[in-house]
Amino acid sequence: QSALTQPASVSGSPGQSITISCTGTSSDVGSYNRVSWYQQSPGKAPKLTIFDVSNRPSGVSNRFSGSKSANTASLTISGLQAEDEADYYCSSYTNSSTLGFGTGTRVTVL
Amino acid sequence: EVQLVESGGGLVQPGGSLRVSCAASGFTFSNYWMHWVRQAPGKGLVWVSRMNSDGSSISYADSVKGRFSISRDNVKNTLYLQMDSLRAEDTAVYYCARDGYSYGFGAFDYWGQGTMVTVSS
Repeated sequence: QSALTQPASVSGSPGQSITISCTGTSSDVGSYNRVSWYQQSPGKAPKLTIFDVSNRPSGVSNRFSGSKSANTASLTISGLQAEDEADYYCSSYTNSSTLGFGTGTRVTVL
Repeated sequence: EVQLVESGGGLVQPGGSLRVSCAASGFTFSNYWMHWVRQAPGKGLVWVSRMNSDGSSISYADSVKGRFSISRDNVKNTLYLQMDSLRAEDTAVYYCARDGYSYGFGAFDYWGQGTMVTVSS
């Protein structure tokens, strides 16, 4: 059960768009549309941002969007704001009936 | 209001046991898959285990299989994680999470505040 691969850090200026990748395998991301994204601020529990690849829970800004191609899922944050600065994690269901999280990405707003 | 409140964390020696609990309120607990997720200090999230609504379907991460046991009491609205043969690498904040959108496939819409488990001599 290896962790999904994410870039360690991504940064952008206010108003810009950034994209975070989440690379898995044909045993997880590539086989299921069961990819979720979480935002975690320091000292807080994670917050669901995207589920089932591209669906936003109620109350989440439409500046957050998700997509998937083959074994890689992506989270895009448009119109970057200071409040978006946090750690982001992807997760995926796997063919072992387990779940795996990504390695995590620190988003910095310049 | 949906609430998940973990308890039972603490300091335990290597090889020891501990049971953490997650008290749920504000929703019909017996309708939802529930999960445990942990996070070591300064590290990323790691999925630990899941259980379906009636307790008939369970999965574990390889790293805890055979040592940890998940259970639930749908009358007491409480989720449990029994941890045996604890190792230093099990040191982490343990979160319980509700699978709100995907029936076990991992869309955690509510999380508890976490309970810290420290394994050290």
